Amino acid sequence: GAVVSQHPSRVICKSGTSVKIECRSLDFQATTMFWYRQFPKQSLMLMATSNEGSKATYEQGVEKDKFLINHASLTLSTLTVTSAHPEDSSFYICSAVARGQGATDTQYFGPGTRLTVL
Amino acid sequence: AQTVTQSQPEMSVQEAETVTLSCTYDTSESNYYLFWYKQPPSRQMILVIRQEAYKQQNATENRFSVNFQKAAKSFSLKISDSQLGDTAMYFCAIYGNKLVFGAGTILRVKS
Repeated sequence: GAVVSQHPSRVICKSGTSVKIECRSLDFQATTMFWYRQFPKQSLMLMATSNEGSKATYEQGVEKDKFLINHASLTLSTLTVTSAHPEDSSFYICSAVARGQGATDTQYFGPGTRLTVL
Repeated sequence: AQTVTQSQPEMSVQEAETVTLSCTYDTSESNYYLFWYKQPPSRQMILVIRQEAYKQQNATENRFSVNFQKAAKSFSLKISDSQLGDTAMYFCAIYGNKLVFGAGTILRVKS
């Protein structure tokens, strides 16, 4: 159990375009989902926290208008990188906390999405 | 604020031997949780072990165990009988009000 999927796994786009990444909890309902960014050989940095039906909470230094997060249901959160630029190239990982299932502190991670902006 | 420090950037161990990965942390939260996550070359983050800070007993999961020293704010991971599949980046993390990761330790298991 506690499987999280992400789509797409890889995406290449041109500078100035927008890219949407989906994060789904496959076998549980997620009260909260998180979006992280990971640069090569570095740790994960939290970008934002999203709760179903409410606005996302962004970490300091993360541009809200650039990284749009929508958590429309208890099993789906989306991250849209708007007007992408080469410096947005990175590995984006989502995670989810299960609703009503044991520990609410434990996050289950998706497999990640590699974004390359040309 | 929460911080996690992993002082070993890289480690190697022979197959079937035991290795210990170090982690120290700092937090102002009175209630928190500690984790070790594994990230193999596939880059999928996998939960290895979880420790509730209010529990004195060290968590264990098969070949993985922790040495949790609350006063010293230390949370090391011991891997026994190392296997080739244990080769990965290992992240120590703390959850108080959010999940904060250390810089990671690359572990290579050699045959």
